Amino acid sequence: GAGVSQTPSNKVTEKGKYVELRCDPISGHTALYWYRQSLGQGPEFLIYFQGTGAADDSGLPNDRFFAVRPEGSVSTLKIQRTERGDSAVYLCASSSTGTDTDRYGYTFGSGTRLTVV
Amino acid sequence: GENVEQHPSTLSVQEGDSAVIKCTYSDSASNYFPWYKQELGKGPQLIIDIRSNVGEKKDQRIAVTLNKTAKHFSLHITETQPEDSAVYFCAASRDSGYSTLTFGKGTMLLVSP
Repeated sequence: GAGVSQTPSNKVTEKGKYVELRCDPISGHTALYWYRQSLGQGPEFLIYFQGTGAADDSGLPNDRFFAVRPEGSVSTLKIQRTERGDSAVYLCASSSTGTDTDRYGYTFGSGTRLTVV
Repeated sequence: GENVEQHPSTLSVQEGDSAVIKCTYSDSASNYFPWYKQELGKGPQLIIDIRSNVGEKKDQRIAVTLNKTAKHFSLHITETQPEDSAVYFCAASRDSGYSTLTFGKGTMLLVSP
């Protein structure tokens, strides 16, 4: 697609429930990133995929968080036993080195706003 | 790990004035420094970036400067317009390729007509 698509745009869930957040990266982008943005803060890194594998998951806060990218395109971020502290905007980004070295960088989606009540 | 500090947290200017946002970083191995603009309800959008092999880069009304010795970099916006109003984030990483970014906390820029 033309940009990074994230669904749903908003998700309200009860404490203790399981949620899945979906990311459709730009077609052909092999790198995919998940970031979390709390109110008034900059995005914080969660996990990075290169193709199908998680190249770096050092940002996942605990084992309730898990992400997959089984076919190297769409990715799903999964959060088990949600807590109120998980409330934030979850951003997905994709990137490719391509040939435009003057304008290399991530393209972010609009995010999923997760609210745990 | 990398730590990025960004100042000011808010900045109000009159239309037509210049705006400057400053960031410092801690990891001397960082060599890629992008700036993002985030409007309400949207994801961050890359507006300009700089690599450590250059000291300054311009793109129309925006420019970024980098001082690797002092480990700081700045965003300069000239002839500000109301549509420049947004939250701006600086970031740093070790590689302009596949690498994670460490972001500053953001600057809310308000341009008054």
